[in-house]
Amino acid sequence: EVQLVESGGGLVQPGASLKLSCVASGFTFSDYWMSWVRQTPGKTMEWIGDIKYDGSYTNYAPSLKNRFTISRDNAKSTLYLQMSNVRSEDTATYYCTRIRRGCDYWGQGVMVTVSS
Amino acid sequence: DVVLTQTPSTLSATIGQSVSISCRSSQSLLDSAGNTYLYWYLQRPGQSPQLLIYLVSNLGSGVPNRFSGSGSGTDFTLKISGVEAEDLGVYYCMQATHAPLTFGSGTKLEIK
Repeated sequence: EVQLVESGGGLVQPGASLKLSCVASGFTFSDYWMSWVRQTPGKTMEWIGDIKYDGSYTNYAPSLKNRFTISRDNAKSTLYLQMSNVRSEDTATYYCTRIRRGCDYWGQGVMVTVSS
Repeated sequence: DVVLTQTPSTLSATIGQSVSISCRSSQSLLDSAGNTYLYWYLQRPGQSPQLLIYLVSNLGSGVPNRFSGSGSGTDFTLKISGVEAEDLGVYYCMQATHAPLTFGSGTKLEIK
């Protein structure tokens, strides 16, 4: 069974950094592109970016490219999202997804709240 | 960025009724290789999204065949032929033809 489990969220102050993790199981992680998508409290869905199966290539939403970094450790079957200089508008639920025929599997999501 | 406009924003249906959701794109989603990267997702209350339809009209794994997708270019439709109680939630379309990938604003399906 495919499982994606995110962690690392919580309450963070504006301007701080935060690193989210997503542990994958039930499939060969190193065979798949992976992505991060976030959902705002108002339920708007926003694609953050994705990463090639071997970690050699990444794509980002232009508005987030300078502050967010996606990486992966295939030996640990883990996807990461490094968030820096966070802002109140980064408050959202963050999902990792597997990419195959679109985003075919999603994690349960992890909440990030940016507030002082 | 490509804007996906979903209508209606809210839909109320009785069990067994057939309903349709529209997703209109600000640009054609047909790429130069002849592919159309348009997807549909359902997010049930308190859950993460699940894939229903990929590449306009292909049913996702385990998805009941009362769901169907159609369309081309800029106009796409998700149809539910005989709504069931478990279908309540928010439906999103998503395009991956043009970077960055974008989502529609969602259609909430309520059961009367």
